[in-house]
Amino acid sequence: AQRVTQPEKLLSVFKGAPVELKCNYSYSGSPELFWYVQYSRQRLQLLLRHISRESIKGFTADLNKGETSFHLKKPFAQEEDSAMYYCALITSGSRLTFGEGTQLTVNP
Amino acid sequence: DTGVSQDPRHKITKRGQNVTFRCDPISEHNRLYWYRQTLGQGPEFLTYFQNEAQLEKSRLLSDRFSAERPKGSFSTLEIQRTEQGDSAMYLCASSLVELGKGEQYFGPGTRLTVT
Repeated sequence: AQRVTQPEKLLSVFKGAPVELKCNYSYSGSPELFWYVQYSRQRLQLLLRHISRESIKGFTADLNKGETSFHLKKPFAQEEDSAMYYCALITSGSRLTFGEGTQLTVNP
Repeated sequence: DTGVSQDPRHKITKRGQNVTFRCDPISEHNRLYWYRQTLGQGPEFLTYFQNEAQLEKSRLLSDRFSAERPKGSFSTLEIQRTEQGDSAMYLCASSLVELGKGEQYFGPGTRLTVT
């Protein structure tokens, strides 16, 4: 069965520090992974997808099939990065399977 | 605002009552999804439509839940004989097949409280 695990419910860093939000998955097929973000009082929105291999708002994520991980990284965190981050996996059809989320707080 | 809209935003109901939620997707999107989110958890998939066809349902969607998308535009999610365990945020999302799987646009959600 497919599963997404985000081991940290809360993560706190200082502005300018590097940040890494961990995501591990289990899926028997070929995975397609995503990071979604929810800023305070806003709706859930797509941040990035592994297929695009893009950098959005300074964030990158690399799919590591050997370690079944898709960690989200940013070298220098900003206060506006404070939000809830969800790692998600596309499985059968078009359903997204989400992790439990990590609340990132960037302190000034 | 041309994003996904949901109505109502909040609903308080007594156990045993029926409730219905509405979702209006982005107009050109052909796929529509329903998710449920409880406190401290990520969204959980309930069902999705492509145009008016309901293509997949989760085992979470018990017999008390029914979803429709009659004309391939807006969708409704009905919960019959509500239970306290149904209290959650109900999220709707839409997507365009051509954009690729996974790029889903979410609405603000309907928060259901069953007393």
